[in-house]
Amino acid sequence: EVQLLESGGGLVQPGGSLRLSCAASGFTFSSYAMSWVRQAPGKGLEWVSTISGSGTTTYYADSVKGRFIISRDNSKNTLCLQMNSLRAEDTAVYYCAKDESGSGLSSFDYWGQGTLVTVSS
Amino acid sequence: LPVLTQPPSASALLGASIKLTCTLSSDHSTYTIEWYQQRPGRSPQYIMKVKSDGSHSKGDGIPDRFMGSSSGADRYLTLSNLQSDDEAEYHCGESHTIDGQVGYVFGTGTKVTVL
Repeated sequence: EVQLLESGGGLVQPGGSLRLSCAASGFTFSSYAMSWVRQAPGKGLEWVSTISGSGTTTYYADSVKGRFIISRDNSKNTLCLQMNSLRAEDTAVYYCAKDESGSGLSSFDYWGQGTLVTVSS
Repeated sequence: LPVLTQPPSASALLGASIKLTCTLSSDHSTYTIEWYQQRPGRSPQYIMKVKSDGSHSKGDGIPDRFMGSSSGADRYLTLSNLQSDDEAEYHCGESHTIDGQVGYVFGTGTKVTVL
């Protein structure tokens, strides 16, 4: 059974940093791309970033490019999102999602339960 | 950027059928989309992928009464024999490469109410 468990969310001041983690199990982690998708309170879904199975290729939404860094540790089956220079508009539930493909960005066939990030002074 | 248009809400009676629409922007009218279900307070769940020719492939555990289809720039998700458990937000999404930039865009979602 595929399981994705996010952690690391919390309250942070504008301009601050936060690191999210996602522990994966139930599938061959290194064979699949992984993504972060967020959802602001009462709003729709927004794709944030994707990393290939090997970790060599990354993609970012324009809204987070230059501020967020996605990474993975295939030896520990862990996905991370380093979030810097946080803004109020980054407030959202952040979901870790498994991609159907190994290399690129395709679609999200499994999702975690999400972790809430609140950016406020 | 591509745009996916969804009506904000839809409703139908328990046991009836409902057809949800996701409309692709004209320059992406042949693209494949995915449907996701998000029950209140829960994380999204993958339902299926729908291609421009109407073929579709479902995710694990998705019941037969969920069907996908296509017509032009419209992609559909039809729920038959509607159950109370189907009351949820339904999102469509599409991956794309534009000028070498890879990305993914979601529609604004359709909230389904079961009467």
